[in-house]
Formats: sequence, C-alpha cells, structure tokens
Amino acid sequence: DAGVIQSPRHEVTEMGQEVTLRCKPISGHDYLFWYRQTMMRGLELLIYFNNNVPIDDSGMPEDRFSAKMPNASFSTLKIQPSEPRDSAVYFCASSLERNNQPQHFGDGTRLSIL
Amino acid sequence: QKEVEQNSGPLSVPEGAIASLNCTYSDRGSQSFFWYRQYSGKSPELIMSIYSNGDKEDGRFTAQLNKASQYVSLLIRDSQPSDSATYLCAVKPPPGNTGKLIFGQGTTLQVKP
Repeated sequence: DAGVIQSPRHEVTEMGQEVTLRCKPISGHDYLFWYRQTMMRGLELLIYFNNNVPIDDSGMPEDRFSAKMPNASFSTLKIQPSEPRDSAVYFCASSLERNNQPQHFGDGTRLSIL
Repeated sequence: QKEVEQNSGPLSVPEGAIASLNCTYSDRGSQSFFWYRQYSGKSPELIMSIYSNGDKEDGRFTAQLNKASQYVSLLIRDSQPSDSATYLCAVKPPPGNTGKLIFGQGTTLQVKP
C-alpha cells in the first residue's frame, strides 16, 4: 500500500519567494496533519484537518503560512513570503480515527530558505 | 510543565544491553500511547502502540504503560547499533481532541558496538 506521499523532497529557494509543499495522504484516512521539525523546537504541529476541514491551526506560526485541503487526497502548505527562519523539515501525516489508529508520516520536505 | 516529557539524552548503551526509554505525560485522561523511531534525516516511524495498563511485547521491543503514574516506557532488549536513533513518545489526549497526538521532544539512543 502506498504511504503518505510528499513533494518536493527538497526545496531551496531565496527569501521572499512563495513556497508550496504538497501532500497525498493514505487512501481512506480521515485526518491529515502538517508538522515542522527543527533541532531547536523539535516536532511542532502546525495544522490538522478532519474530512478536509481545518480543525486546529493554532500552530501556524504567522499569517505567512496557509494550508488547504481541497479534497480527501490532496493538501498543500504554502509559505508566502518565505524567510530564512522557515528553514526546517516539514512532515505531513495522516491517520484513521477509528479504533485509535496511529499517525503515519510521509518522508518530509527539507526546506532551505537562503 | 510540558504535556509529554522525555529525557533528551543521549542515552548510550553497549551492544546487547537493554535500553530503557521513559516518557511522562500530564493529561490523566489520555487514551492511547505510541512510540516512534526516527533515524537521522528520516521521518518518524511507528514501532509500538499501547492502550491499556501493563506490558506489550513485539520482538525485542516492550512497551509498558502505567496510567496511575502517567508513565509510559519502551524497553529494547539485545540492543543493536541499528537501534541508534531518536525515539519519540506520542500521547493521544482525551476525547475532544480526536486525531491529534502530543509528541515529546524525543530521546536519542546510541548503541555502541
């Protein structure tokens, strides 16, 4: 079975540019999560969706960050404009709520803002 | 107080020894508990889940849960150098926060040959 698929795997761009990260959750999963991981702050939950509806975006650091889930098989995380402090690994994860199933992570996008 | 706490380590054990990783959580009503392993440069990978008090064994791994003490641990028997990684404890809060997991900061394990 295909796992969570993220693209791109690596992104290097200059400060001020728009960055779009993409995620395809595991088919049938009803929750989708976006995380950011840095050495200093560890794994941080940015936002999560249930059945394509955003439930909690309190982890989104500022208005430069936005996320959408237009359908059950696709989500985007957008940063506009990007800043060097946004450099991190961004993970997408999905889960099925029934029977307390765990989250499964994608391979992540390593983002570097120069 | 952090919601999920782990000693960041590094925890260093010799090959063949038992590695013991510990995690405490603050919300007494938490329902489900998970251990993820994360190799350097890779994504977190689920290795164990536990839902009720007691021990749960899977190969060389044993998860232990004590809800009264709000404590969950992971034992790795016959540790191998390939077990060297960061281990993340994750806790699912009580109903009302469905789907969300609270992660600890992770414990780095080093298994020395």
